[in-house]
Amino acid sequence: AQTVTQSQPEMSVQEAETVTLSCTYDTSENNYYLFWYKQPPSRQMILVIRQEAYKQQNATENRFSVNFQKAAKSFSLKISDSQLGDTAMYFCAFKYNNYGQNFVFGPGTRLSVLP
Amino acid sequence: EAEVAQSPRYKITEKSQAVAFWCDPISGHATLYWYRQILGQGPELLVQFQDESVVDDSQLPKDRFSAERLKGVDSTLKIQPAELGDSAMYLCASSQPTSGGQETQYFGPGTRLLVL
Repeated sequence: AQTVTQSQPEMSVQEAETVTLSCTYDTSENNYYLFWYKQPPSRQMILVIRQEAYKQQNATENRFSVNFQKAAKSFSLKISDSQLGDTAMYFCAFKYNNYGQNFVFGPGTRLSVLP
Repeated sequence: EAEVAQSPRYKITEKSQAVAFWCDPISGHATLYWYRQILGQGPELLVQFQDESVVDDSQLPKDRFSAERLKGVDSTLKIQPAELGDSAMYLCASSQPTSGGQETQYFGPGTRLLVL
């Protein structure tokens, strides 16, 4: 079974600075998707960014970008120009490229953006 | 913007009592998920529905948990009897499956359960 590991339980960053959250995963498959989800305090979880494993180009969404290293099974999230609203739990998730396959989430990283 | 609805938002119950949670997915979403999220941890899948059929309930404690999605729309998750260890956030999510497996999950606000 696939597993997702996030080795940083907590991180903090100064407002306007850049921070990188780490994620590694374990799978023997070649086709899959990787996701970063954000869960703000007392608010619902939302998708931040998604990466298809077959694409070599790293996904980017405004201030959020990923560094996808398929051989190393690494999928880190970089947040540039951090804002107070970025304070949240961040979850890395994995899903096989198959119809109906479920998502597997990592344990999360709690990010605090400091003023 | 369409959202996943869940109720209640908070539930306090005593152990050995029965509790039920309701989820209404985004209209048209065929796939519905129930997750349990213990404080400080990532969500763990309890059950996944495709329309009214269960796709995966391998992690559902079937001696006390049950889930149904009778008409393939809204869903109910029940716990009977509740135990202290069931205290957690219960999240519902929905998605519209694609042949490429690239669907995005949309999460509801969750139901926070406290068992005393």
